[in-house]
Amino acid sequence: EDQVTQSPEALRLQEGESSSLNCSYTVSGLRGLFWYRQDPGKGPEFLFTLYSAGEEKEKERLKATLTKKESFLHITAPKPEDSATYLCAVQAPNTGNQFYFGTGTSLTVIP
Amino acid sequence: DVKVTQSSRYLVKRTGEKVFLECVQDMDHENMFWYRQDPGLGLRLIYFSYDVKMKEKGDIPEGYSVSREKKERFSLILESASTNQTSMYLCASSVLDRYEQYFGPGTRLTVT
Repeated sequence: EDQVTQSPEALRLQEGESSSLNCSYTVSGLRGLFWYRQDPGKGPEFLFTLYSAGEEKEKERLKATLTKKESFLHITAPKPEDSATYLCAVQAPNTGNQFYFGTGTSLTVIP
Repeated sequence: DVKVTQSSRYLVKRTGEKVFLECVQDMDHENMFWYRQDPGLGLRLIYFSYDVKMKEKGDIPEGYSVSREKKERFSLILESASTNQTSMYLCASSVLDRYEQYFGPGTRLTVT
């Protein structure tokens, strides 16, 4: 059973072309939803935690939002250095410290 | 800044060898995790530990064991490496009551 689904799998944007990445989840009673950035050959880097529907977090050109069934990572006026894979993870109740990761969206920003 | 280090970036081992992957964190985090990452499958949890000498199985513990003798160090052991354990291995740590994890750079293991 898929807990976390990310879409699209890959996204190519022109520099300055804003867009959104999606993370949908099937767990109920979400304890937390997490966004990470992963550069090729490196470990994921923590970006945001969201805990409840309606919550929003921002960092530079990135803004994460959360509803009851999905989260969006909005990228405003992206730059080539934003190119990376963006991973979403959820923590469900009764799973202790276990997290479920999506397979990620690979973002390429073309100059 | 949190720093998580892993003993090797790249490792090549033969089938049947015993393999040790080590992870060290310098932020006094209680929780430590071992994941493997494979294309199309995402990150899958192998084991995690919430305290010294404590461990819990994740989704895919078969063929692996772990050791946590000191709070800052968490080792992943492949008792008898097999080709299907070729993967990127990632270690992470977190504070006990906060859930954002901090990852190391990863070890790309190839078993031939």
